[in-house]
Amino acid sequence: QITLRESGPALVKPTETLTLTCTFSGFSLSYSGVAVGWFRQPPGKALEWLALVYWDDDKKYSPSLRTRVSITKGSSNHVVLTMNNMNRVDTGTYYCAYFVPEPVSGYYLGDVWGQGALVTVSS
Amino acid sequence: DIVLTQSPGTLSLSPGQRATLSCRASQTLSSNYLAWYQQKPGQAPRLLIYGASNRATGIPDRFTGRGSGTDFTLTISRLEPEDFAVYYCHQYGGLSPYSFGRGTRLDI
Repeated sequence: QITLRESGPALVKPTETLTLTCTFSGFSLSYSGVAVGWFRQPPGKALEWLALVYWDDDKKYSPSLRTRVSITKGSSNHVVLTMNNMNRVDTGTYYCAYFVPEPVSGYYLGDVWGQGALVTVSS
Repeated sequence: DIVLTQSPGTLSLSPGQRATLSCRASQTLSSNYLAWYQQKPGQAPRLLIYGASNRATGIPDRFTGRGSGTDFTLTISRLEPEDFAVYYCHQYGGLSPYSFGRGTRLDI
């Protein structure tokens, strides 16, 4: 069974750097074809994709956040997201997800998600 | 970037009724890389449909995805109480970054 869990600070101050960890089980990021990504969701608003890291350490970022976000493979079952220069509009729930190529098109799709971590940006 | 427009914003129905949710893409999704997620309050999104029309593992057959090109629909044939949630369409392919629609809220 694949599970993911996000952890990190619930409160950060404006201009600080956010560091979130995704801890997962049921798969390894060493397995060929696997990826882990991050999304976020401001309160009451839609989902937004942030970043993705593949088993081979290839990475993709949202163009709108590319200068502020970094994704890193940790140990065999951790992925870390950092986002610098946090501000109030970055408040929301941050999710990590297990990605695999879906069988029809082969494009990567978030199949299993963690429960999310609420991050509030406030002084 | 591909923009997804969902309609209606809110749909009010009763258990047993049929729900039809729409999603229009600003560009053609040539390989139908369109998915639907269900999200209940306080929960993570759950994958329902991928490739426009394929049900994910464990999804009941009352959920049906259709469409191609730029116009897609999600139909729930007979609403169950647990189906009342927010539904997002999501494109995940090509050269564009991943994107989501703003969601359709399905209310009792």
